[in-house]
Amino acid sequence: EDKVVQSPLSLVVHEGDTVTLNCSYEVTNFRSLLWYKQEKKAPTFLFMLTSSGIEKKSGRLSSILDKKELFSILNITATQTGDSAIYLCAVGGGATNKLIFGTGTLLAVQP
Amino acid sequence: GAVVSQHPSWVICKSGTSVKIECRSLDFQATTMFWYRQFPKQSLMLMATSNEGSKATYEQGVEKDKFLINHASLTLSTLTVTSAHPEDSSFYICSARSADGYGYTFGSGTRLTVV
Repeated sequence: EDKVVQSPLSLVVHEGDTVTLNCSYEVTNFRSLLWYKQEKKAPTFLFMLTSSGIEKKSGRLSSILDKKELFSILNITATQTGDSAIYLCAVGGGATNKLIFGTGTLLAVQP
Repeated sequence: GAVVSQHPSWVICKSGTSVKIECRSLDFQATTMFWYRQFPKQSLMLMATSNEGSKATYEQGVEKDKFLINHASLTLSTLTVTSAHPEDSSFYICSARSADGYGYTFGSGTRLTVV
């Protein structure tokens, strides 16, 4: 069965801290891994990763994929209270190339 | 960029009634649309995959007679929650897969409350 697992489930940090969120997967016919940030409504796209070892960066956020070990990490440096959200990892693949979501990581950044 | 318009944003309905949620791809053709539901503080759970012109594929445990999906055109997919009950109250969201099969565009979501 295809599955995507994120850790930790929740995390509380202080402003300025650096956090690393983990995503591991077992998905047949892997095509892409995507990270999203969700606050109150629909998820907001962060990154799409298809190749191993190539870091994608956007401001204080970065992500990398390891297709051999079947995992990805999302790093957030110098966290701010506005980073508080649920971070979702999703993998596109499976028999019908569907998008399978992980459990999510709830990040709370305290002032 | 690609945009998926989802309506309504929120809806309150009485138990026993049906509610239709629409997702339209505004500037591209969405041959495949995914429908998810999300309970508070939980992740998105895939309900079904719809392909234009064919029957939807439902995930295990999802009642196809209760959650009717129609994908009659390349730009419109609908989810109808039939005979809604309070336990159907949830956040429903659609996502269209891009033509190259790698990217996904989400609608803005519909918050359904059944009273």
